[in-house]
Formats: sequence, structure tokens, C-alpha cells
Amino acid sequence: EAGVTQFPSHSVIEKGQTVTLRCDPISGHDNLYWYRRVMGKEIKFLLHFVKESKQDESGMPNNRFLAERTGGTYSTLKVQPAELEDSGVYFCASSLQGTAKGYTFGSGTRLTVV
Amino acid sequence: DQQVKQNSPSLSVQEGRISILNCDYTNSMFDYFLWYKKYPAEGPTFLISISSIKDKNEDGRFTVFLNKSAKHLSLHIVPSQPGDSAVYFCAASALGTYKYIFGTGTRLKVLA
Repeated sequence: EAGVTQFPSHSVIEKGQTVTLRCDPISGHDNLYWYRRVMGKEIKFLLHFVKESKQDESGMPNNRFLAERTGGTYSTLKVQPAELEDSGVYFCASSLQGTAKGYTFGSGTRLTVV
Repeated sequence: DQQVKQNSPSLSVQEGRISILNCDYTNSMFDYFLWYKKYPAEGPTFLISISSIKDKNEDGRFTVFLNKSAKHLSLHIVPSQPGDSAVYFCAASALGTYKYIFGTGTRLKVLA
């Protein structure tokens, strides 16, 4: 089966611009998660979708971040306007309900805001 | 305030010896713990997990130990191989949640 796919793998944008990250989860995985790792620190939770519904968005840093999962398939994470501190690696993950084997992560999108 | 801590940013071990990676947590509501391995330019890959009802779980060369009273878990890799060189993340979740709280990672280097 295909894994979790993220686009783009790298993005360099200027402060104030908009960037949209995309995640295609494993087919059939209702749970989709966004995480972020900043400057070699811990991997931090951003939000969790169950199908198209936001189950938990307690980790979203502020209202410059908007996540969507229309139709319960792929998800997008938009940052608008981007700030320097938004730089980091954004990981998407997906899982089946109730799995004991953790998530399957994508390779991440490295975002650099200059 | 970090709820999951990996206090050793790096560790070097000779091939064939044991690697021990440590993780401490502060939230007593955590009941499920995982270890992930991450290679450069790749996403984290699930390695092994343990439920709070157990104190040990083994999978091949990898064993995770959980000490609930000390709020401490460790990952043992025996024998260590050069291909094990990666960053290892400890993660935890609380009952009824699917959100994982990760540590900052420990970079393991296995020397041939």
C-alpha cells in the first residue's frame, strides 16, 4: 500500500507570503494528524482529523494556520501570512481507528520562512 | 512545560554492544508509550510500544521497559548495528486520546 505522501518536500517563502502544504493519507485511514518539529526540538502536535471533522486542534499555534480535510481524504495546511518562527518540518500522519502500532508518518515538508 | 523528556541528545555505541535510550515523563495520565526511529529526510517510523499495564515489551533486538513509579521508560537495542544509527523519539499518549506527546529525540550513532 502507498504510504503517507506530503507535498512539497521543501518550501522556501518570504515572510508575509502564503504557503499551503498537502498531505495524502493512507487510503482508508480515517485519522489524519499534523505535527511540526521546529529547530531540532520535539515533534509537536498541531491537530487531528477524524474523516473531515477536526477532532482536536489544540496544538494550532494561532489563527494564521488553517487546516482542512474536505471530503475526508487529503488534507491541506495553510499558513497565511507566514512568519519566521513558522520555519520547521511539518509532518502529516494517518492511522486506523484504535491501532496499537502508532501512526504512519509522511516524510514531512521542510518549510523555511526568510 | 515538557511532559516527555529525553535528556540525552546523543549517544554513541560500538557495534554489537547494547544501546540504552532513556525517556522520562511527568503526566501520570499517560498510559501508552511508543518509540519512533527517524532517519534524515524521512518521517518517524514506529518501532515499538508499551501499554501501562505492562512493564516490558520485546520485539527482536528491541525491548522497551516501563517503570511507572519512576515515570521512566527505556529502549534497549541488543546487539546494536550500524543501521540503527538514527534519531529516536519517545512518545506518550493518555487514555482516550490519539494525540502523542513527543520528546526531543536522542541521536544514536552505532560505530562499526
